[in-house]
Amino acid sequence: DQQVKQNSPSLSVQEGRISILNCDYTNSMFDYFLWYKKYPAEGPTFLISISSIKDKNEDGRFTVFLNKSAKHLSLHIVPSQPGDSAVYFCAASVAGTGANNLFFGTGTRLTVIP
Amino acid sequence: KAGVTQTPRYLIKTRGQQVTLSCSPISGHRSVSWYQQTPGQGLQFLFEYFSETQRNKGNFPGRFSGRQFSNSRSEMNVSTLELGDSALYLCASSFFLQRSTDTQYFGPGTRLTVL
Repeated sequence: DQQVKQNSPSLSVQEGRISILNCDYTNSMFDYFLWYKKYPAEGPTFLISISSIKDKNEDGRFTVFLNKSAKHLSLHIVPSQPGDSAVYFCAASVAGTGANNLFFGTGTRLTVIP
Repeated sequence: KAGVTQTPRYLIKTRGQQVTLSCSPISGHRSVSWYQQTPGQGLQFLFEYFSETQRNKGNFPGRFSGRQFSNSRSEMNVSTLELGDSALYLCASSFFLQRSTDTQYFGPGTRLTVL
């Protein structure tokens, strides 16, 4: 049972525009959320995270929004650059239990068109 | 600081064989987790080791096992390989994953193909 879902397998955006990647989760116990970026032949790279006590976290061009009532989070990339083209994975965990395993979505392939 | 390294990078095996994959965490990291990535399922957690002890385990059959050595290096073993075990196996390390807000750093993975 997929507890973290990324319903869009792919997304194409023009360079300079905003990229919005979406993620939904079903487990209300999740209280820590992360985004990872993955290039081919490399492991996922941590991008940004957010705790459930916040609804927004910003790091440069990357902003993650969390809507707990809707069990939805999104990653905004502004402005998008060709180097952002990669597969983006949303992940979630229950931070307070000592269980560290991350639950990942199936990923969204972002293509930024020059 | 060197990143997480995994060996081998590519592996081809036949059904019924067994395989051992190796992971060296970032220096100073004591927690090592293993994930399986397949096209349909994304990344799925296999297990996590901390101080040579398995601390957490995902929902995989007993054919999947692992261990951690005193230098934090970890190995995972898959016995009696099945075609469905073909996947990218990723290892991630973190300093001290008592709370999962510690960032996990991933290696490049081992691509296992079972024929």
